Amino acid sequence: NAGVTQTPKFQVLKTGQSMTLQCAQDMNHEYMSWYRQDPGMGLRLIHYSVGAGITDQGEVPNGYNVSRSTTEDFPLRLLSAAPSQTSVYFCASSSANRSPLHFGNGTRLTVT
Amino acid sequence: GENVEQHPSTLSVQEGDSAVIKCTYSDSASNYFPWYKQELGKRPQLIIDIRSNVGEKKDQRIAVTLNKTAKHFSLHITETQPEDSAVYFCAASNLGTYKYIFGTGTRLKVLA
Repeated sequence: NAGVTQTPKFQVLKTGQSMTLQCAQDMNHEYMSWYRQDPGMGLRLIHYSVGAGITDQGEVPNGYNVSRSTTEDFPLRLLSAAPSQTSVYFCASSSANRSPLHFGNGTRLTVT
Repeated sequence: GENVEQHPSTLSVQEGDSAVIKCTYSDSASNYFPWYKQELGKRPQLIIDIRSNVGEKKDQRIAVTLNKTAKHFSLHITETQPEDSAVYFCAASNLGTYKYIFGTGTRLKVLA
């Protein structure tokens, strides 16, 4: 049981480039979500999904897209990276009883 | 909107002393309150949680108290040890909506 797996661990992008952060879980969790973590601002919810084919926006969705074609995978897409998107990104999942959240190891993204 | 306030932002204690971190939430529909510990460069990991039908929960040196009337919950760590040094996050969730709102974190330093 690997839990929640995120790739890559580190990424550097130039402004305007696009990329996809991958997240996969092998716990058959219905709920998956993406957070960004910035110094002094805690964890802010970007997008979340309550099941395959269902996604919704969190607190800070602008500049990010998601899709949920399978229960296991929940990729986060940056269509045109901006320096303001420099952050650490965490994917998290939980089960039908909706507690607790299990986090991946994070992706540190730098946009120059 | 919904928010969770967490205090203090930094806390230094001598080894063996107690540490208390406090959080206040705004959404009266919140019914689940987890606490996460995050070591440097690592992912947040659940250390204790409490549901709204319980006023207090304890696990060895860690305890959480909840005052639903005041919308206030606290983390108590007794007999602190150097390995307790980390950033601690509180969160509030309405398990019916899947959403977790996190506090901004408390950096705890246990001085040997």
